[in-house]
Amino acid sequence: DIVMTQSPDFLAVSLGERATINCKSSQSVFYSSHNKNYLAWYQQKSGQPPKLLIFWASIRESGVPDRFSGSGSGTDFTLTIDSLQAEDVAVYYCQQYYSTPALTFGGGTKVEIK
Amino acid sequence: EVQLLESGGDLVQPGGSLRLSCAASGFTFTTYDMSWVRQAPGKGLEWVSTISAGGSNTYYADSVKGRFTVSRDNSKNTLYLQMNSLRAEDTAVYYCAKSLACRPSCHSFDYWGQGTLVTVSS
Repeated sequence: DIVMTQSPDFLAVSLGERATINCKSSQSVFYSSHNKNYLAWYQQKSGQPPKLLIFWASIRESGVPDRFSGSGSGTDFTLTIDSLQAEDVAVYYCQQYYSTPALTFGGGTKVEIK
Repeated sequence: EVQLLESGGDLVQPGGSLRLSCAASGFTFTTYDMSWVRQAPGKGLEWVSTISAGGSNTYYADSVKGRFTVSRDNSKNTLYLQMNSLRAEDTAVYYCAKSLACRPSCHSFDYWGQGTLVTVSS
């Protein structure tokens, strides 16, 4: 299975500042014939199911604010939250779907307000 | 509006069985692969199982293979997870999730249910 490792585990950011979350896969999730990275990002607020933010590593899901952006390729990926808002407090997960159906998630990064 | 409503979670003894259901509405159920993802208390997300749109292909995490069976009834827009030989480590909230429609096909999940809690304990 592809192992997804997120860092940091916990992140405290001031309101209006930038939050950066990293995700590293144990092998490349870039599918060259499709020219796509098979990686998604989710946000999970307390007591709620996860919400899809980003797929194909950088495509924002419909309705997701543009302060959320995804980048990276191959094995190294980043989720950036520009100008953190109070409603962004949550745990964030990356997920690879390259090795479908053996899908794997990162361990999560908890984002709080400093 | 897409809705996924899980049910069937309960307290069960080790070695017992349980059947989870997920009633879907608001989209063409027969068109999408569906999955189960679980989350142990205070822990991260773990993919459990996926079933293809037509139901002919099923996939399982190694941790549940041989004990869990996923199925669907497309006439009832319902997804199921039959869980046998349950263990303490199966204790979790179980979510059903719909695969995003994309080309090429991708198993990221654009809709999730609220989850149903399965507790395995004596």
